[in-house]
Amino acid sequence: SAVISQKPSRDICQRGTSLTIQCQVDSQVTMMFWYRQQPGQSLTLIATANQGSEATYESGFVIDKFPISRPNLTFSTLTVSNMSPEDSSIYLCSVTTQGTGNYGYTFGSGTRLTVV
Amino acid sequence: GENVEQHPSTLSVQEGDSAVIKCTYSDSASNYFPWYKQELGKRPQLIIDIRSNVGEKKDQRIAVTLNKTAKHFSLHITETQPEDSAVYFCAAYNQGGKLIFGQGTELSVKP
Repeated sequence: SAVISQKPSRDICQRGTSLTIQCQVDSQVTMMFWYRQQPGQSLTLIATANQGSEATYESGFVIDKFPISRPNLTFSTLTVSNMSPEDSSIYLCSVTTQGTGNYGYTFGSGTRLTVV
Repeated sequence: GENVEQHPSTLSVQEGDSAVIKCTYSDSASNYFPWYKQELGKRPQLIIDIRSNVGEKKDQRIAVTLNKTAKHFSLHITETQPEDSAVYFCAAYNQGGKLIFGQGTELSVKP
């Protein structure tokens, strides 16, 4: 399965600022996904990042708040903009090794964000 | 879109007993159903998965069953051990290429 390096692992940010989270994959992948996991909650899909096109956002998430870049098949960034305490969560990137019938999803180690 | 419901939210068992976690999904086009284990402070780890053309799959003490007609699938852990304590998530993968997660079950195995 793919190996994902995600950084930063954690950060404490002031409200009103922005944080960019990076994910680097050790192999080329078509689709990358960004999830949010609020404290004690499940994983909620924010958006799907496709190389060469704009990200596709899920209901309740907008590009102005969570801009995503996908410059190539091994890298993506998620920015959490104009942060408020409600944005305090763990953010995880994920890739699928879809192809040859294998749908396995692998997750990055996560970014624990605290907004104060 | 897909909706995945997971029960129970918490489950406490004695070491050596079995644990069962159940999930239902809404999108009949979903064709892949993984289960993840998340230990405190760590990323979700895939523990077992099943595809829609299979009714049951087993891997040592862990098994998953799928009922496509009823649109539900279950995780079975036998001979539970304290290290099985974690949060377990079911998920469903649909034709849109998205993995949608259930709400999670916090399993506690008491020695």
